Amino acid sequence: KQEVTQIPAALSVPEGENLVLNCSFTDSAIYNLQWFRQDPGKGLTSLLLIQSSQREQTSGRLNASLDKSSGRSTLYIAASQPGDSATYLCAAQGNTPLVFGKGTRLSVIA
Amino acid sequence: GAVVSQHPSRVICKSGTSVKIECRSLDFQATTMFWYRQFPKKSLMLMATSNEGSKATYEQGVEKDKFLINHASLTLSTLTVTSAHPEDSSFYICSARGTSGSFSYEQYFGPGTRLTVT
Repeated sequence: KQEVTQIPAALSVPEGENLVLNCSFTDSAIYNLQWFRQDPGKGLTSLLLIQSSQREQTSGRLNASLDKSSGRSTLYIAASQPGDSATYLCAAQGNTPLVFGKGTRLSVIA
Repeated sequence: GAVVSQHPSRVICKSGTSVKIECRSLDFQATTMFWYRQFPKKSLMLMATSNEGSKATYEQGVEKDKFLINHASLTLSTLTVTSAHPEDSSFYICSARGTSGSFSYEQYFGPGTRLTVT
């Protein structure tokens, strides 16, 4: 059974810092891995989707990498801003529905 | 493309009543729909998977008689919380996966429904 773990659970950084969020998954037989953002009380916003054949995806200040063999993905956020404050969820998709990690709660302090 | 809607966005009901939540794929046909539940400050937990025209498959620990799922068409799935209790208060999020092409693997999520049972 797929299990997804995210480290750290919470992170607080000053504005402008670059940061890395970590995600690991136990079953490497995945189709894709996705990163989502969730604001308090809101739904999910899809940030990046990495297909199993890809190693990374970039969107603006965000860069996600995928290493299937080691069961790891990272989300890199450059030049963080207070508006980046949210919970970031990673989710792995194999033959089962998306399995989510518990998320990393990010606070960017102005 | 790939828009999923949910209705209502918020609902408050009294204990013992039933509540229906609708999930629609607006611009694609969804062979499979998923229902997730999220408690405060927790992650999303899959409740059930429904395929159009067949019975839903429930995850372990989810009562199928309490959470009724109907997936009557390729664009609509409903979740009915029967005889709701305060412990059913949660954020319910649906997700849809398409039938073919670029929609065939990725799951698209609705905006969620906040259920409060008093």
